[in-house]
Amino acid sequence: DTGVSQNPRHKITKRGQNVTFRCDPISEHNRLYWYRQTLGQGPEFLTYFQNEAQLEKSRLLSDRFSAERPKGSFSTLEIQRTEQGDSAMYLCASSLGANRGFNGYTFGSGTRLTVV
Amino acid sequence: AQTVTQSQPEMSVQEAETVTLSCTYDTSESDYYLFWYKQPPSRQMILVIRQEAYKQQNATENRFSVNFQKAAKSFSLKISDSQLGDAAMYFCAYGVEDNTDKLIFGTGTRLQVFP
Repeated sequence: DTGVSQNPRHKITKRGQNVTFRCDPISEHNRLYWYRQTLGQGPEFLTYFQNEAQLEKSRLLSDRFSAERPKGSFSTLEIQRTEQGDSAMYLCASSLGANRGFNGYTFGSGTRLTVV
Repeated sequence: AQTVTQSQPEMSVQEAETVTLSCTYDTSESDYYLFWYKQPPSRQMILVIRQEAYKQQNATENRFSVNFQKAAKSFSLKISDSQLGDAAMYFCAYGVEDNTDKLIFGTGTRLQVFP
């Protein structure tokens, strides 16, 4: 297992365009998280999936953002009509929920989005 | 609401010396977890050390140890015998085991290590 994989690593887009990021979690992990990290800040929670069900969304996740996790495997995060304020690092993490104590909570390398 | 505060935006240390990074947090929970994560430039967030709040003994991982003061809500990280590879952003994080297990992070401390 190669850990949590995120693609692309970098994305530059023009304001108003739509972008989609992909996260492939560790295969046996049933929990998947998206975080956003802006410059000079720590990661902030965006949303959480248990298997294919999206169980929690942060107020940071405006209606321009949508996330899916079909069949409980990989996940996608789409941002519609991007704005310059969306420029950030988008981090994905996964964990095995039954493995208590936050064991195995693993982050990917992130997708850096720049909106110009 | 739970918050995590890291008051040192930057710290520096000479190779082989010891450095302490500070973290305070606010919570009304009695059972929770605290973490230190390392984020090297352009690389993934890596767990350095984890502390369970109900355990009084401070966690230790090789050169990394914590000073957990539950009453003071303080959780500092000590790096002994600092190495060039320790240079990175360090984030303090808090989590409660619930239906979500999401983490709350501080703003980070950039550690520079000089030879």
